Amino acid sequence: QKEVEQDPGPLSVPEGAIVSLNCTYSNSAFQYFMWYRQYSRKGPELLMYTYSSGNKEDGRFTAQVDKSSKYISLFIRDSQPSDSATYLCAMRPRMDSSYKLIFGSGTRLLVRP
Amino acid sequence: DADVTQTPRNRITKTGKRIMLECSQTKGHDRMYWYRQDPGLGLRLIYYSFDVKDINKGEISDGYSVSRQAQAKFSLSLESAIPNQTALYFCATRDGTPQAGELFFGEGSRLTVL
Repeated sequence: QKEVEQDPGPLSVPEGAIVSLNCTYSNSAFQYFMWYRQYSRKGPELLMYTYSSGNKEDGRFTAQVDKSSKYISLFIRDSQPSDSATYLCAMRPRMDSSYKLIFGSGTRLLVRP
Repeated sequence: DADVTQTPRNRITKTGKRIMLECSQTKGHDRMYWYRQDPGLGLRLIYYSFDVKDINKGEISDGYSVSRQAQAKFSLSLESAIPNQTALYFCATRDGTPQAGELFFGEGSRLTVL
């Protein structure tokens, strides 16, 4: 069983829809949670970063962490065609001197005009 | 210019050949990483380095070696390439702040081993 599970998609939505992307994990020591966005033929770039539980909002994006369920989500409001990309969740324990991230396999999102 | 530059961007080689992928960065970060990305498997860590004298194996280091020639340069070598090393390889950097989570990635090197 992978430490981090993520539905590969693809997820296809019309422009303006609310998108929900999710990851589940098995390691209760994970404390730092990140979402990276990867456009085709590009490297991943950090989109959202949260520590421990709760919500964090940045413009149209909201990251949510539910540690009791070992479940994290990324919501995209008013989705745009430019949001079409692969979204990777990533996480790591707090007490980890190597700061290695464990990545999900990514969900491919397509926003149709 | 990109902050994290990888060369070559694409490479096709044959089984048994030695291959080197190079990475250079202008971000001034101490920490550098090599990942490979495969469909359905996500990003997996091959090697990481905290400084020129500190190199560590990641989860899938077998068949790979690295060299940290300078703070800004980190190379990945495949001594004898095999077809299952066909993948997209990424170099990444981060600063040394304990809480900082952000990795800065290069644009990737696509390697095909025939």
